[in-house]
Amino acid sequence: GAGVSQSPRYKVTKRGQDVALRCDPISGHVSLYWYRQALGQGPEFLTYFNYEAQQDKSGLPNDRFSAERPEGSISTLTIQRTEQRDSAMYRCASSLAPGQQNTEAFFGQGTRLTVV
Amino acid sequence: GQQVMQIPQYQHVQEGEDFTTYCNSSTTLSNIQWYKQRPGGHPVFLIQLVKSGEVKKQKRLTFQFGEAKKNSSLHITATQTTDVGTYFCAGPRLYTGNQFYFGTGTSLTVIP
Repeated sequence: GAGVSQSPRYKVTKRGQDVALRCDPISGHVSLYWYRQALGQGPEFLTYFNYEAQQDKSGLPNDRFSAERPEGSISTLTIQRTEQRDSAMYRCASSLAPGQQNTEAFFGQGTRLTVV
Repeated sequence: GQQVMQIPQYQHVQEGEDFTTYCNSSTTLSNIQWYKQRPGGHPVFLIQLVKSGEVKKQKRLTFQFGEAKKNSSLHITATQTTDVGTYFCAGPRLYTGNQFYFGTGTSLTVIP
């Protein structure tokens, strides 16, 4: 597609429910990143993939959070048993290639998650 | 963990004044990127610096990467109302991969 697409744009869920957030990166981009951004804060790194391999998941807050990118394209971030503190904007970004060059990250519009 | 701090957190300037934001990392960075996020928008890439001491210019914007690759700055000359937004630096730790840790950001308000 023309840009990074995230769905849904908005998600309201009840505490304790599971949610799945989807990211469709720019076609051909090798690297895919997930960030969480609270209002007035910088994006907080969660995890990233090169192709289908999850390279680093050290930013995931706890084991309720998981991510996958099974075919090296679309990625899903899943939050189990959501809590109110999970409410935030979840952003996905993709870049053409890992390494020193071509690492410009293109961000999607984000998914605003509200846990009530 | 990695800490990337930016100062100031907020800056209000009169249109036409200059603006500078500083980025400081607790660890050496392999490279650094700068992003701009308009209110209600998403971060948009501005530039990447890779070499120690590198300076790059984009029209009224000047970017510097410190000699030790632990700090960086963004300077805007003669601000315009279109410069409004939050400016973030971001960079991966040396030798640790491609995950970019974002700074705390500087929110710029330009008063016409």
